[in-house]
Amino acid sequence: DVKVTQSSRYLVKRTGEKVFLECVQDMDHENMFWYRQDPGLGLRLIYFSYDVKMKEKGDIPEGYSVSREKKERFSLILESASTNQTSMYLCASSFQGRTTEAFFGQGTRLTVV
Amino acid sequence: AQSVTQLDSQVPVFEEAPVELRCNYSSSVSVYLFWYVQYPNQGLQLLLKYLSGSTLVKGINGFEAEFNKSQTSFHLRKPSVHISDTAEYFCAVSGPGGGSEKLVFGKGTKLTVNP
Repeated sequence: DVKVTQSSRYLVKRTGEKVFLECVQDMDHENMFWYRQDPGLGLRLIYFSYDVKMKEKGDIPEGYSVSREKKERFSLILESASTNQTSMYLCASSFQGRTTEAFFGQGTRLTVV
Repeated sequence: AQSVTQLDSQVPVFEEAPVELRCNYSSSVSVYLFWYVQYPNQGLQLLLKYLSGSTLVKGINGFEAEFNKSQTSFHLRKPSVHISDTAEYFCAVSGPGGGSEKLVFGKGTKLTVNP
């Protein structure tokens, strides 16, 4: 079974803190993604990585950065957390190719107070 | 650029009734289409996908979808729903090639199955 594991299910952080969300996959997938999910807005892509150290901005990259030092691990970084970044964050991975499905982690519900 | 429109944000139905969740897409290139399901407090799970070939695609849990190129639609159907089908359903289209194989999602449809 493919496993995409996000380090935390629930996280509460203070405004201005630097926040790290970690994601690990065990299927040797080339692609990894970070999405943000908000009610009524669906899933919006924050960043996408297609190889180690390679990244591409998604639709809403502002306020976020990413790191991919190893193939299996993709980190999302909130440089200075703000209350409007309170959301559900979903990590996904896939093999390269438009026809392949993406596998999702369980999600991290982040609350910034 | 691709986009996906899910026409209904919420669909309430009674158990054992049929259901159709509607999805329209826009794209200037050939598309690959997906339906994902998200049960409460979980990540997304693939229900089915259309890549090529037969326009009627069967997925898990008795769901099926029909690709209609002329109407740019990919509606999801189930002839008889169960309480356990209560979840949020997302339609998605894969992005352009050349290394940017991103999925573009619709805003989701919440299916509530009532007894």
